[in-house]
Amino acid sequence: EPEVTQTPSHQVTQMGQEVILRCVPISNHLYFYWYRQILGQKVEFLVSFYNNEISEKSEIFDDQFSVERPDGSNFTLKIRSTKLEDSAMYFCASLRQGLATEAFFGQGTRLTVV
Amino acid sequence: GQQLNQSPQSMFIQEGEDVSMNCTSSSIFNTWLWYKQDPGEGPVLLIALYKAGELTSNGRLTAQFGTTRKDSFLNISASIPSDVGIYFCAGQATSGTYKYIFGTGTRLKVLA
Repeated sequence: EPEVTQTPSHQVTQMGQEVILRCVPISNHLYFYWYRQILGQKVEFLVSFYNNEISEKSEIFDDQFSVERPDGSNFTLKIRSTKLEDSAMYFCASLRQGLATEAFFGQGTRLTVV
Repeated sequence: GQQLNQSPQSMFIQEGEDVSMNCTSSSIFNTWLWYKQDPGEGPVLLIALYKAGELTSNGRLTAQFGTTRKDSFLNISASIPSDVGIYFCAGQATSGTYKYIFGTGTRLKVLA
């Protein structure tokens, strides 16, 4: 069964460092997302990506965040200068088409900023 | 903004008992989903609902989409220890990005 894969599973970084979280969405999917879950809290939307551009971003997704789909396969989330409060699980998700289809989530990357 | 509130926040039940949890929204959603999350894992889809009033089952799980499209419930029958986890409802945005808005979660603990 196709699945969304994320790497690394766990990343520890020092405050102020740049991190790149990587995702390989399901191949025939058209919509791509990043979500964040701070420990013990709900899953929060960060950004959506469609047709090679950002289609929506939340207020969490400030100038320190960026996304790319550099090669038609990978989908990356970059945090330029990490802060302690960026520590969370980051989930990538992909959706085959629009309404009334299910998004598939990756296993997540646990980011720990120290 | 759109919010989904789940109740109860957490529950302890005995193995074999039936479980019921609810999700209510301040907004209408055309698609409603229930996910389960195990510790350290990503959300896994349990049931998707597309029509107001729709009742759908998946094994021991049953979910219904409220007629107003602003609420849903999830029932688990004859709970087993592996049902432990956090259950999230999610509504899908109806336009543009089709993003999901997640509920606050119900943490389920099953006592053997």
